[in-house]
Amino acid sequence: GQQLNQSPQSMFIQEGEDVSMNCTSSSIFNTWLWYKQDPGEGPVLLIALYKAGELTSNGRLTAQFGITRKDSFLNISASIPSDVGIYFCAGPSSGNTPLVFGKGTRLSVIA
Amino acid sequence: NAGVTQTPKFQVLKTGQSMTLQCAQDMNHEYMSWYRQDPGMGLRLIHYSVGAGITDQGEVPNGYNVSRSTTEDFPLRLLSAAPSQTSVYFCASRDYGAADTQYFGPGTRLTVL
Repeated sequence: GQQLNQSPQSMFIQEGEDVSMNCTSSSIFNTWLWYKQDPGEGPVLLIALYKAGELTSNGRLTAQFGITRKDSFLNISASIPSDVGIYFCAGPSSGNTPLVFGKGTRLSVIA
Repeated sequence: NAGVTQTPKFQVLKTGQSMTLQCAQDMNHEYMSWYRQDPGMGLRLIHYSVGAGITDQGEVPNGYNVSRSTTEDFPLRLLSAAPSQTSVYFCASRDYGAADTQYFGPGTRLTVL
């Protein structure tokens, strides 16, 4: 089935640093979603992207829908301790299919 | 709105026991899904439903059954629990055709001894 490859698997950064992570697919996606999972909680949607080249921000978070439609990037600027968690990319392989998720990027922020 | 609710939050079973994980949503979403989360494996789809009376298998369906008799409820049944089913289980719901409306429940942490 569809697979989304996320990298890096984990990151340890200092508070205040910027963070970048990405997600690639072997096939085209029409929607890219980025979720964050806090420890002990269910994932929560951060950003949704709908067309190739789109750049969308949500506070300190910025995500981009790759031109090839096979990748997406998430950047977090000026990280803070509450950014700790697992970040997942996801998308439906076609309009109404279930969401496929990457394996996640685990972010740790050192104060 | 309560959103997506799951019960129980924690459960310990012995190998061979059966149980049902409950999931309910109050957003009138047609689409509901069950995922399991294991370390380093991300979220893997077990079963999903696009409406009452309709269910389909996901990536890892073996050992699990589902039914969808109402729009609100989507229980997941383990018929004979195995240690390999130790995991965190998440239920999710969304509007049909609107991937960006998917909400997750808080999860059920299951341990099978």
